[in-house]
Amino acid sequence: DTGVSQDPRHKITKRGQNVTFRCDPISEHNRLYWYRQTLGQGPEFLTYFQNEAQLEKSRLLSDRFSAERPKGSFSTLEIQRTEQGDSAMYLCASSPRGSRLVEQFFGPGTRLTVL
Amino acid sequence: ELKVEQNPLFLSMQEGKNYTIYCNYSTTSDRLYWYRQDPGKSLESLFVLLSNGAVKQEGRLMASLDTKARLSTLHITAAVHDLSATYFCAGPGGGADGLTFGKGTHLIIQP
Repeated sequence: DTGVSQDPRHKITKRGQNVTFRCDPISEHNRLYWYRQTLGQGPEFLTYFQNEAQLEKSRLLSDRFSAERPKGSFSTLEIQRTEQGDSAMYLCASSPRGSRLVEQFFGPGTRLTVL
Repeated sequence: ELKVEQNPLFLSMQEGKNYTIYCNYSTTSDRLYWYRQDPGKSLESLFVLLSNGAVKQEGRLMASLDTKARLSTLHITAAVHDLSATYFCAGPGGGADGLTFGKGTHLIIQP
């Protein structure tokens, strides 16, 4: 399967713990995005990478959130001191280099539950 | 900041009927996307609309874009049960390339 992959698919954690998610984009896609989706809502943009550079961060991305894409391939999203409000589906998407008009391809998501 | 509004948010319809989902957006946009999401699954890209008057069709689904009216529509023809899903429209506005999504239209098609 050459689509976007995410790991883990599910994560249950206790409030106050740190969690880290991984996203592997489609090979050779240089653009990578993170979104958060809560129940009954559309995805909300969190952050965007072009290669290894983080070019945009939403105001939704509080100081407890950090994302990296160290070699321009896979990306990690870390949430420190998790809160119950962080419970959501975290989606990763990628799109190829070239025109910014192309579509974004989404991964299966990581469902986070904070107890 | 782009705002995207979809209506209806919930739609129950019978197989064989036609219906249209509407997507209004608040600021000028050079593109509009439609995605499908099945329960517990990720988003599947359906259409990318890049210009005023663009119309794209795939099976029983047809999407159109009117940039002057800031309106996109997703038309369902002779609905079948397999089209039951949540449909999202999205446009650029979540940053340089990030997308802003509507709340989605939860579509149930009953046999």
